[in-house]
Amino acid sequence: GENVEQHPSTLSVQEGDSAVIKCTYSDSASNYFPWYKQELGKRPQLIIDIRSNVGEKKDQRIAVTLNKTAKHFSLHITETQPEDSAVYFCAAQRDNNDMRFGAGTRLTVKP
Amino acid sequence: EAGVAQSPRYKIIEKRQSVAFWCNPISGHATLYWYQQILGQGPKLLIQFQNNGVVDDSQLPKDRFSAERLKGVDSTLKIQPAKLEDSAVYLCASSPIYGSYEQYFGPGTRLTVT
Repeated sequence: GENVEQHPSTLSVQEGDSAVIKCTYSDSASNYFPWYKQELGKRPQLIIDIRSNVGEKKDQRIAVTLNKTAKHFSLHITETQPEDSAVYFCAAQRDNNDMRFGAGTRLTVKP
Repeated sequence: EAGVAQSPRYKIIEKRQSVAFWCNPISGHATLYWYQQILGQGPKLLIQFQNNGVVDDSQLPKDRFSAERLKGVDSTLKIQPAKLEDSAVYLCASSPIYGSYEQYFGPGTRLTVT
């Protein structure tokens, strides 16, 4: 089955700096790559996603890049704010909806 | 649009006891998932339903876990008997159609087995 690896496990940045989280996946059939943000004690919420026919997608301060050849994708957050502090999960999914999640990255944005 | 509903929100049981969780997905969503999220880890898929049929239960410990979605709407997940390592948050999610699409998560049920 699919195996998703996520790095780093923890990331601390100063407010205003950029944060980058990287994931790799093993199943070349995966074609959908969402990123979820989970605040403490709350449900995961989708923040951005990308499909396999696109190399990059941006939404305000958040961007995701995908390299299908290398089987890796990354989340980029620019101009970080304290409210960006949370755990971020990447995931990879095939057409049959078999979504596999990474282990998560705890992002701390220091004011 | 109402979100995914789950109950109870918290449950504490002793090992070897039984427990059941309930999920009501977003209206009209055909696909429903149950995930187990152990503290400090990403969600792990336990079972996936398409309407009332099971699509994937390869990671469900079938000797103690069971799930059903009889009418293709609500779903229940049961653990019998519970073990200490079952302590986790159990998340239900739903998706509008079959395929690679956003999943909407419920608030989860935090289970503590003592």
